[in-house]
Amino acid sequence: DVKVTQSSRYLVKRTGEKVFLECVQDMDHENMFWYRQDPGLGLRLIYFSYDVKMKEKGDIPEGYSVSREKKERFSLILESASTNQTSMYLCASIPIAGGYTGELFFGEGSRLTVL
Amino acid sequence: AQSVTQLDSHVSVSEGTPVLLRCNYSSSYSPSLFWYVQHPNKGLQLLLKYTSAATLVKGINGFEAEFKKSETSFHLTKPSAHMSDAAEYFCVVSGSWTLRDDKIIFGKGTRLHILP
Repeated sequence: DVKVTQSSRYLVKRTGEKVFLECVQDMDHENMFWYRQDPGLGLRLIYFSYDVKMKEKGDIPEGYSVSREKKERFSLILESASTNQTSMYLCASIPIAGGYTGELFFGEGSRLTVL
Repeated sequence: AQSVTQLDSHVSVSEGTPVLLRCNYSSSYSPSLFWYVQHPNKGLQLLLKYTSAATLVKGINGFEAEFKKSETSFHLTKPSAHMSDAAEYFCVVSGSWTLRDDKIIFGKGTRLHILP
């Protein structure tokens, strides 16, 4: 079974802190995604990566950056956390062979609270 | 351009009665359509997908969905609800093989409540 692991399930940070959210997948998928989920807004794409060291902005990249130094790992970085970044963050991956007709595999989410 | 609309933000049904979660989509070309389920404090799990084969798609846990091109709909149904079906459900549309040409579009979700 494909496994997407988000290392931190729950985090509490203070305004201005730097925050790292880590995501690791074990199925050699090329494409990885970071989404933010808020009630009533569904999932919104922050960034995605289609290869090592490659990244593209999604719909709401402001205030976020990403890093993909290894194929299996995709990190989301909040350089200076703000209260409006309190949210559930979901990582997902998909193999390039499936394209968009393939299944997205999700991690269990990281719930971030910024005080 | 693509879009997806989930017509109900909340649906309540009694245990043992049918479930209907509605989804309409818009796509410039032949879409792929998905339903995902999210239980509390969990990630999303694929329920079923349509990728231009049979229009009636069967998924896990007794769910199924029918692709109706004339109505641009992909409604999710289940004949008999179970308490364990209480969750949030997302309809998703995508329409391109190329990552950079297109996006995966999520509906805003429908929360399903099961009444005992």
